[in-house]
Amino acid sequence: AQKVTQAQTEISVVEKEDVTLDCVYETRDTTYYLFWYKQPPSGELVFLIRRNSFDEQNEISGRYSWNFQKSTSSFNFTITASQVVDSAVYFCALSEASTGNQFYFGTGTSLTVIP
Amino acid sequence: DAGVIQSPRHEVTEMGQEVTLRCKPISGHNSLFWYRQTMMRGLELLIYFNNNVPIDDSGMPEDRFSAKMPNASFSTLKIQPSEPRDSAVYFCATTPGLPIETQYFGPGTRLLVL
Repeated sequence: AQKVTQAQTEISVVEKEDVTLDCVYETRDTTYYLFWYKQPPSGELVFLIRRNSFDEQNEISGRYSWNFQKSTSSFNFTITASQVVDSAVYFCALSEASTGNQFYFGTGTSLTVIP
Repeated sequence: DAGVIQSPRHEVTEMGQEVTLRCKPISGHNSLFWYRQTMMRGLELLIYFNNNVPIDDSGMPEDRFSAKMPNASFSTLKIQPSEPRDSAVYFCATTPGLPIETQYFGPGTRLLVL
């Protein structure tokens, strides 16, 4: 079974629109971490955020915000006032205490911001 | 810090040839991961090391693939003999080695096997 599901394969928005990328995870562990990575067209994987399972507080970093809800096993990522430079593939990932450092990546959401 | 360093960045080879991909982790990072990324299969974990010891190699596709970490500052992923279906981007990632740490990725090696 897929531990991390990113149901949105591709999203296109017009510049300055807000966009939310969905991430649903599955785990039986009580201790786990969730991550978001960005992969721009240049190909590198850039770390964006890490949240642990005991901290449900939402996080905001500039135009980026993350909504962690254990009740729905979701860790959604919102970009406010999107810009062309936000165009990339975004990956959500899960790491469980029981499996140590192993990461489980979602299949990614390709975001295109149209100028 | 220079980050995770991978070489070569691009590799084009012919089927049957040996390919060696290299990774230098961030200094002080004790865990190292090799991933393969393709359009069809996404990001796949191939193998990971902790303190130079292979912990889980269940993701290694077959015997043609092998990985080593002879010391804390160097790892290799070797494919011998290479096949066209091995064409992919291979990423190396490292963490400080504590449980559940952020993985920092190298720029990747884009491999094309003709």
